[in-house]
Amino acid sequence: GEDVEQSLFLSVREGDSSVINCTYTDSSSTYLYWYKQEPGAGLQLLTYIFSNMDMKQDQRLTVLLNKKDKHLSLRIADTQTGDSAIYFCAETTGRRALTFGSGTRLQVQP
Amino acid sequence: NAGVTQTPKFRILKIGQSMTLQCTQDMNHNYMYWYRQDPGMGLKLIYYSVGAGITDKGEVPNGYNVSRSTTEDFPLRLELAAPSQTSVYFCASSWGQGVTEAFFGQGTRLTVV
Repeated sequence: GEDVEQSLFLSVREGDSSVINCTYTDSSSTYLYWYKQEPGAGLQLLTYIFSNMDMKQDQRLTVLLNKKDKHLSLRIADTQTGDSAIYFCAETTGRRALTFGSGTRLQVQP
Repeated sequence: NAGVTQTPKFRILKIGQSMTLQCTQDMNHNYMYWYRQDPGMGLKLIYYSVGAGITDKGEVPNGYNVSRSTTEDFPLRLELAAPSQTSVYFCASSWGQGVTEAFFGQGTRLTVV
């Protein structure tokens, strides 16, 4: 079955760039997402990318997709303390519900 | 806009008790989902629904039941609570699958003792 893996924790200093990585197993994955979860809250969509794209940029966020290696990354430029949260990678073929990774806890130190 | 509303936010159950987690959405979404989130384990799909009257099992359906009598509501029922069901439960909805965004409720933190 499909599987999505992420590292559990990342710590960066305020102002640095953060890179959160994700790998997935389903080669049919068509839509790939990054969701953000702040403490005590549900998940909110940050950005998404189609499998026919290599890169997507949205303000401070850059998503890179290596379809050959089934590797997705999220880069946050100029990381702020407000970016501290858990970031989930998720994917779907479009014919089933989202499959989520275990989440990466980003800690931003002042 | 209320979005996806879950109740209750917190609940403590004794082993063997039953309860229903409520979920309602006001976006007229066809698709609704129940996930559970265990620490360090990500979200696992329990049940989902593609429209009123249609439900299907996800990855971890054992010990749960659902119904979808209306587009808006998708309650999750625990019949005989077990400690293994201690988790945070999230309801979500979306217009479709694929590129459409899934909207999540705030979650229900359930502890079974």
